[in-house]
Amino acid sequence: GAVVSQHPSRVICKSGTSVKIECRSLDFQATTMFWYRQFPKQSLMLMATSNEGSKATYEQGVEKDKFLINHASLTLSTLTVTSAHPEDSSFYICSASKAGGPTDTQYFGPGTRLTVL
Amino acid sequence: QKEVEQDPGPLSVPEGAIVSLNCTYSNSAFQYFMWYRQYSRKGPELLMYTYSSGNKEDGRFTAQVDKSSKYISLFIRDSQPSDSATYLCAMSPNNNDMRFGAGTRLTVKP
Repeated sequence: GAVVSQHPSRVICKSGTSVKIECRSLDFQATTMFWYRQFPKQSLMLMATSNEGSKATYEQGVEKDKFLINHASLTLSTLTVTSAHPEDSSFYICSASKAGGPTDTQYFGPGTRLTVL
Repeated sequence: QKEVEQDPGPLSVPEGAIVSLNCTYSNSAFQYFMWYRQYSRKGPELLMYTYSSGNKEDGRFTAQVDKSSKYISLFIRDSQPSDSATYLCAMSPNNNDMRFGAGTRLTVKP
């Protein structure tokens, strides 16, 4: 158990458009989901933490109006990159913590490669 | 069967011990192998990054990849209390589609 999926796995878009990335926990309920950004061969940078039914908590330096996070259910969180620009091109990874499980155990999705032209 | 298997622990060792962390995998297409360290409430920090088989050493850390056995290891020498964290293995066939292990929680006791 504890499988997390992301969709799409890759997306290419034009500058100025918005892109939505979905993160789903397939076989468990996730009270908390995390969104990370990774540049090549670098650590994962935590962007925000979202709890089901409440507003996401953003890390310092992450624009909440640009990276919209919605955690609509216990199995789905979405990240929308609004008015994307080439500098937003990156690898976005989500993770989820199980409801009732250790709060600091995270299960990671496979990531979404975003390329903004 | 999960693509990547990692014993979640917890693992507790005395300060100065050699720590061995391992992952096994089933997908022979994996070419890129990574180890991350994650402290509580922080993002995973990339520790080691290797391509294909072989060993890589960085200070007290050594990563080993045995593709024939589909087995990767991370060794920590002279472990310190500051090494206490969760260690995640991750791998990818193409440096994009990543698969993470469940993470092993390590505690190094003074």
